[in-house]
Amino acid sequence: ELKVEQNPLFLSMQEGKNYTIYCNYSTTSDRLYWYRQDPGKSLESLFVLLSNGAVKQEGRLMASLDTKARLSTLHITAAVHDLSATYFCAVDRSGNTGKLIFGQGTTLQVKP
Amino acid sequence: GAGVSQSPRYKVAKRGQDVALRCDPISGHVSLFWYQQALGQGPEFLTYFQNEAQLDKSGLPSDRFFAERPEGSVSTLKIQRTQQEDSAVYLCASSLTTYTDTQYFGPGTRLTVL
Repeated sequence: ELKVEQNPLFLSMQEGKNYTIYCNYSTTSDRLYWYRQDPGKSLESLFVLLSNGAVKQEGRLMASLDTKARLSTLHITAAVHDLSATYFCAVDRSGNTGKLIFGQGTTLQVKP
Repeated sequence: GAGVSQSPRYKVAKRGQDVALRCDPISGHVSLFWYQQALGQGPEFLTYFQNEAQLDKSGLPSDRFFAERPEGSVSTLKIQRTQQEDSAVYLCASSLTTYTDTQYFGPGTRLTVL
């Protein structure tokens, strides 16, 4: 059974600091997604990573994928308050369905 | 429409009542997904449609849960004889073509069963 684990589950950080969220998954996967969720809101797609070594960047966020290690990272550079949210990684199992398996989520709190 | 819409946004049901949750996907999107998100957890897959065909319903927790998409656009998730453990946010997502495309999520329906 495919399992997806994120750590840390909660992260409180000061503005201007850097940090990394880790996403480990247990079996082979074709695709890995990162989503953001604000309180009471739905999920917003951030990144789709399709191959080993893939790296994508948007603003202060950068995501990478190591399929051999079954690990993705979401790196936050010089955090700002607007980045406060819950971040989910999700893995798409190989096969003919879009069944996404989500991690538990990492709640990021950026303090001024 | 501009995005995935869901209705109602909030639903309170008494235990034992039937509920129906509606999802309007992005126009032209072939694939539609339902997820259940418990408080403080990540979404959990329920079922997947490609057009009107339900290709995967492995995540439906019991036979009280039923989903349909009769004309390949709007979908309805029905829960019969609701139980307290059904309380959650039900999220609908759609993607343009196949399962490989990015899934775009709706705002969700928060179901509370008393």
